[in-house]
Amino acid sequence: SQQGEEDPQALSIQEGENATMNCSYKTSINNLQWYRQNSGRGLVHLILIRSNEREKHSGRLRVTLDTSKKSSSLLITASRAADTASYFCAVSGGSNYKLTFGKGTLLTVNP
Amino acid sequence: GAGVSQTPSNKVTEKGKYVELRCDPISGHTALYWYRQSLGQGPEFLIYFQGTGAADDSGLPNDRFFAVRPEGSVSTLKIQRTERGDSAVYLCASSSGGSLGETQYFGPGTRLLVL
Repeated sequence: SQQGEEDPQALSIQEGENATMNCSYKTSINNLQWYRQNSGRGLVHLILIRSNEREKHSGRLRVTLDTSKKSSSLLITASRAADTASYFCAVSGGSNYKLTFGKGTLLTVNP
Repeated sequence: GAGVSQTPSNKVTEKGKYVELRCDPISGHTALYWYRQSLGQGPEFLIYFQGTGAADDSGLPNDRFFAVRPEGSVSTLKIQRTERGDSAVYLCASSSGGSLGETQYFGPGTRLLVL
């Protein structure tokens, strides 16, 4: 079963707008990672946030983590058509080395 | 530097056949992971290697699936008696030391189609 669940399943915006995607999970975690996937192939690592962190930035990306609500959000500012992709959150927890992924959010940025 | 590579990119086979999928991790990475992704789903964990040994194979769906990493670098995922339900993208990832929660770097995947 998949622990991370993204919301919404699909998001369509215009270029220049901000895109926000949310992720919820069920158990305690070591960290949470966000990945991007183009055309159903390899995943590109975007950002990792540890369980003791609340917010992290990387370029146009901003990730927040609320461990009390077991949720995270990914904000992409000033979106570009090239940001069109599926975005996944993945969690690792306990003594597990594996990542558990959600079903992803399909983001479409219209030029 | 070179990332994770996987071969072949695509594999079409017939039901009942045997297939091997190869993964070359990032040089120096001791941890290697296999995941499987079905259409419209996120990747699902299959197996994790630390060095040459399989540290966690709890995600392998049944005994038709087997993976090896004999020299602690390249890994091969082997599927016997393939079934149509095995059709998916098989993703390999590696990480530097196998520490809990470290970043995993993914390859482009092998798209397997079982007819």
